[in-house]
Amino acid sequence: GQQVMQIPQYQHVQEGEDFTTYCNSSTTLSNIQWYKQRPGGHPVFLIQLVKSGEVKKQKRLTFQFGEAKKNSSLHITATQTTDVGTYFCAGRGDSWGKFQFGAGTQVVVTP
Amino acid sequence: SAVISQKPSRDICQRGTSLTIQCQVDSQVTMMFWYRQQPGQSLTLIATANQGSEATYESGFVIDKFPISRPNLTFSTLTVSNMSPEDSSIYLCSVVGATNEKLFFGSGTQLSVL
Repeated sequence: GQQVMQIPQYQHVQEGEDFTTYCNSSTTLSNIQWYKQRPGGHPVFLIQLVKSGEVKKQKRLTFQFGEAKKNSSLHITATQTTDVGTYFCAGRGDSWGKFQFGAGTQVVVTP
Repeated sequence: SAVISQKPSRDICQRGTSLTIQCQVDSQVTMMFWYRQQPGQSLTLIATANQGSEATYESGFVIDKFPISRPNLTFSTLTVSNMSPEDSSIYLCSVVGATNEKLFFGSGTQLSVL
């Protein structure tokens, strides 16, 4: 079955630094989504990528979808303390299928 | 967007008892899911709640342990039956928005089983 792997599981970042989290699927995806879960909160949708090679930006966040639609990345520049939380990717095998979540990357930011 | 009301937000239960978690959505939704999230872990899909028919369970989850109801397009319940400490976790209901694009989550139910 479809598996989505995400690395790293933990990222300790100094404020102002950049970091990237990566997501890889064992199968081709219809689309991939990214969610952010703040400590004690529930996951909140950030973005969806659908097209091969797609790149989307949200302020300091850059999301990419691989050409083969099997991998994705989230890059955050100039990390701020508000970026603290766990970032999950979630892949969908087809447009109406279930979402398979990665393990998540827990981000800790030190001032 | 969809607003989801999930309750209870937390509970402490004795082993062998059952707890029913409710999820109310402010609009009609086709797809509703139940997830489990253990501390520091990812979200594991328990089942898809189907309106008017039996829920579709993922591998490792069975109806006898996690019975689900979905009487209409805005409401669902998940029961955790015959609980043991291993069931201690956060349980989240989730729906797909009208555009079938993104998941909206309830605030979660933190369950502790003693």
